[in-house]
Amino acid sequence: SQQGEEDPQALSIQEGENATMNCSYKTSINNLQWYRQNSGRGLVHLILIRSNEREKHSGRLRVTLDTSKKSSSLLITASRAADTASYFCATDASSNYQLIWGAGTKLIIKP
Amino acid sequence: DVKVTQSSRYLVKRTGEKVFLECVQDMDHENMFWYRQDPGLGLRLIYFSYDVKMKEKGDIPEGYSVSREKKERFSLILESASTNQTSMYLCASRGIAKNIQYFGAGTRLSVL
Repeated sequence: SQQGEEDPQALSIQEGENATMNCSYKTSINNLQWYRQNSGRGLVHLILIRSNEREKHSGRLRVTLDTSKKSSSLLITASRAADTASYFCATDASSNYQLIWGAGTKLIIKP
Repeated sequence: DVKVTQSSRYLVKRTGEKVFLECVQDMDHENMFWYRQDPGLGLRLIYFSYDVKMKEKGDIPEGYSVSREKKERFSLILESASTNQTSMYLCASRGIAKNIQYFGAGTRLSVL
């Protein structure tokens, strides 16, 4: 069952610009996570934000969470060609070990 | 660093064949997962295991089975492969402390 929905589905920007991706979900959550997937590879965890947090930073990444709107955003500042990848949000809504995944945003950074 | 290793990056099988996808993790994680990933559909959970010999169905278990005889190894079995099982298969593991999943590189399976 898919809970998260990312927006936009695809995003193409120039190197050096900021990239913003959004994620919406449907039920109450314990935390929300963002993962990156390079083409044809597995996913790599980027950042986790708990339901009682509103903003979190990690290097060039900034994540916000609005539980009243059931939405989150991932901002990548000063984008680089190496940021080209698909980005997925995943929500942890229960105690049964599962994450619920969105369909992903494909980000292309043009040199 | 956590390492999750999937036995094959690419596999080509014939319809009706029995297919084994193997996954090994080296962090003594209790939980392991098998997903399939198709364009536009994100990750869909096939099965997960929360301990040795313990398994639970995910969202799309039909046509699949799993085996977890040892803590580090979680196998996905396609009993009789069909063309609609052509997909990217991803294995993940997770420890108890945080709900962060660590992924293998994926197996791209083509069933002809």
